[in-house]
Amino acid sequence: DAGVTQSPTHLIKTRGQQVTLRCSPISGHKSVSWYQQVLGQGPQFIFQYYEKEERGRGNFPDRFSARQFPNYSSELNVNALLLGDSALYLCASSLEQTYGYTFGSGTRLTVV
Amino acid sequence: AQSVTQPDIHITVSEGASLELRCNYSYGATPYLFWYVQSPGQGLQLLLKYFSGDTLVQGIKGFEAEFKRSQSSFNLRKPSVHWSDAAEYFCAVGATGGGADGLTFGKGTHLIIQP
Repeated sequence: DAGVTQSPTHLIKTRGQQVTLRCSPISGHKSVSWYQQVLGQGPQFIFQYYEKEERGRGNFPDRFSARQFPNYSSELNVNALLLGDSALYLCASSLEQTYGYTFGSGTRLTVV
Repeated sequence: AQSVTQPDIHITVSEGASLELRCNYSYGATPYLFWYVQSPGQGLQLLLKYFSGDTLVQGIKGFEAEFKRSQSSFNLRKPSVHWSDAAEYFCAVGATGGGADGLTFGKGTHLIIQP
């Protein structure tokens, strides 16, 4: 079975631009969570979606938004990119709204 | 607010030697506790987790961890490390009641294995 897949794997954007990151959960998993991992730090929780609804949100500005589609895949959008948004963005899926996460390999975003 | 402290940024261990990675957490109730490993350029792999019950938890790859409520600690141990264990290790805590609040991670411990 395929694990959690994220696309693209790497991305370079300019300050002020917008970016969309994509995540496909493990088949049958209904919950998707997003984390930001800045170099040298642990991941920070951004969002959790379950059954296409936002169920949890971390301490991130409104420039960050996400959605979950009927097939349970998810997109993370970041507007008005700042240099500080450069990070590895990790997606994790789980069967239910629990901590049984499986993480993807992430999207490395570089803002220049 | 919950928090996790991993006091050791780097640890160097000889291959075949024992390993202990420290983790201290701050949380008001009984926490959900996790250890993850991350290899360069990879996502996070779950090593083990503690929700309740036996305070000594066995995980994958020969790792174990012990929950000590009195010390607010959840240290990770392995009796004999292998060169393939070189990676970044993260301790994390989650609130009871499900995953909607997400996990709070420590800053990680970078494990270096000497031949």
